[in-house]
Amino acid sequence: KQEVTQIPAALSVPEGENLVLNCSFTDSAIYNLQWFRQDPGKGLTSLLLIQSSQREQTSGRLNASLDKSSGRSTLYIAASQPGDSATYLCAVGPGGFKTIFGAGTRLFVKA
Amino acid sequence: DAGVIQSPRHEVTEMGQEVTLRCKPISGHNSLFWYRQTMMRGLELLIYFNNNVPIDDSGMPEDRFSAKMPNASFSTLKIQPSEPRDSAVYFCASSPHHGTANQPQHFGDGTRLSIL
Repeated sequence: KQEVTQIPAALSVPEGENLVLNCSFTDSAIYNLQWFRQDPGKGLTSLLLIQSSQREQTSGRLNASLDKSSGRSTLYIAASQPGDSATYLCAVGPGGFKTIFGAGTRLFVKA
Repeated sequence: DAGVIQSPRHEVTEMGQEVTLRCKPISGHNSLFWYRQTMMRGLELLIYFNNNVPIDDSGMPEDRFSAKMPNASFSTLKIQPSEPRDSAVYFCASSPHHGTANQPQHFGDGTRLSIL
């Protein structure tokens, strides 16, 4: 059974700091991995999707990497801003339509 | 471009009542997902549809839960009878589906359900 773990559960950093969020999964047989952002009282917004054949994806200040063999992904946020404060969820697509989510990392960026 | 639209945004009702949650997916998306989010269990997939057909409902917790998708632009999730442990935020998401490669899912803002 695929399990997705995110570390740390919560993180507080000063504005401007570069940071890394971690995601691990137990079964390396995945089609893709996604990183989502969730703001309080809102739904999830897809940030980056990495297909299984890819190693990384970049969007602006965000960079996500994928190492299937080790069952790990990282989300790198450069020059963090208070507006980056949110919960970040990692989700793996084991195939077909299913998506399995981690519990998320709650990020707070202090001004 | 309108995103996924869910209604109502909030629902408070008494135990035993029927609850109906509604979702309008993004036009042109042919995959639709219902999720439930709680502090204890995180985000759980309840059911997903492809081309209006339920593909996997193994996440539906009990027979009290049912979901329908009568057409490409509308889906409902019904709980009857409702219980306090059903209290959660229910999300609907849709995505375009091309071949077997999963596509990014687009989420609605959710329905916050409280069963008293």
